[in-house]
Amino acid sequence: GQNIDQPTEMTATEGAIVQINCTYQTSGFNGLFWYQQHAGEAPTFLSYNVLDGLEEKGRFSSFLSRSKGYSYLLLKELQMKDSASYLCAVMDSNYQLIWGAGTKLIIKP
Amino acid sequence: ETGVTQSPTHLIKTRGQQVTLRCSSQSGHNTVSWYQQALGQGPQFIFQYYREEENGRGNFPPRFSGLQFPNYSSELNVNALELDDSALYLCASSYGDGHTDTQYFGPGTRLTVL
Repeated sequence: GQNIDQPTEMTATEGAIVQINCTYQTSGFNGLFWYQQHAGEAPTFLSYNVLDGLEEKGRFSSFLSRSKGYSYLLLKELQMKDSASYLCAVMDSNYQLIWGAGTKLIIKP
Repeated sequence: ETGVTQSPTHLIKTRGQQVTLRCSSQSGHNTVSWYQQALGQGPQFIFQYYREEENGRGNFPPRFSGLQFPNYSSELNVNALELDDSALYLCASSYGDGHTDTQYFGPGTRLTVL
């Protein structure tokens, strides 16, 4: 079966750095996406990785290792507005997005 | 540029009824994907439409059906509603045939089945 694993919940302090991990086992791989979802709202796109390595976009970076079936999302200089769920999704061989359950990130002052 | 819109925002139905949810894709996008998201879970892929044709389907029964119109807006129809159909239904649009294209989501329709 296809599986995406990410921690259920993480807590971090305002101004700090946090890394959210995602491991996956899917039938085929056509890229990995990270989305942010605030409670009661739609997911918003953060990043896309298809090749190994680090993609940096402002305070957010995303890393991919295809051989390890592993990705992480790194958030720097945390702000209170970063409190949200972070969803990892993999596009499989049928070009369908397989989603993790999301990691709820709680930011404390 | 207009983003993805969905209607209605909230809906309450009873078991056995039928429901139609609507989605207008972002300007310039020709692909629409539908997802079901239960509370505390990630979205589950229902199906995708590209240029009015179904372009992929997830593990949902045939009572979940859809349609895409020439202006690329879309409908999701669910027949014979069950209690487990209660969820947030998300529509996402993208440009291209959906293959690796970034999907942009609408605000969702919260469906409650009693």
